[in-house]
Amino acid sequence: DGGITQSPKYLFRKEGQNVTLSCEQNLNHDAMYWYRQDPGQGLRLIYYSQIVNDFQKGDIAEGYSVSREKKESFPLTVTSAQKNPTAFYLCASSGIQGNTEAFFGQGTRLTVV
Amino acid sequence: AQSVSQHNHHVILSEAASLELGCNYSYGGTVNLFWYVQYPGQHLQLLLKYFSGDPLVKGIKGFEAEFIKSKFSFNLRKPSVQWSDTAEYFCAGRSSNTGKLIFGQGTTLQVKP
Repeated sequence: DGGITQSPKYLFRKEGQNVTLSCEQNLNHDAMYWYRQDPGQGLRLIYYSQIVNDFQKGDIAEGYSVSREKKESFPLTVTSAQKNPTAFYLCASSGIQGNTEAFFGQGTRLTVV
Repeated sequence: AQSVSQHNHHVILSEAASLELGCNYSYGGTVNLFWYVQYPGQHLQLLLKYFSGDPLVKGIKGFEAEFIKSKFSFNLRKPSVQWSDTAEYFCAGRSSNTGKLIFGQGTTLQVKP
């Protein structure tokens, strides 16, 4: 079954701890993205990657880090420097062409207490 | 800077009413435009997209959108909404140069039966 898998679905962490969210795709897509979804603010781009071993900051990259060591994987680390980490995080992937559709995972809801 | 903005944040309509959701974009260079929908509890999915050619594009479930370059707009329309169209709608743009995919703030559509 082709698609994007995000895990876990719900995640709880204590303040001050780093946490890594997993995103795996088997669609053979070159491009991958991480978004944060907050009510009334839509999807805000955190990081994106067009190719393995390369990635760019999105609009709200502060307090986050990523890696792209494999084509199918794009993990996101929420660091203790992120001031407001409690949110719903969405991962997506797409083909390299600009007009190709992006496919989304089910999301991870992170709660920091 | 690239941006996508949606004018309406919350729209309430009765069944059979016509729908138009506004979307404006700001991009340098070639942009590809999309409308995505998120039904309650489901993944985001593509409604339609525009990248070149006929500025009036038709998507799934009777939706259409018109690309008006002079107005930097890509508004979504449906002649007659149904209760099942209740969802959140997102306009998005992707740069052909950088691959960066960004979304508007989203519009919550509530259709009353």
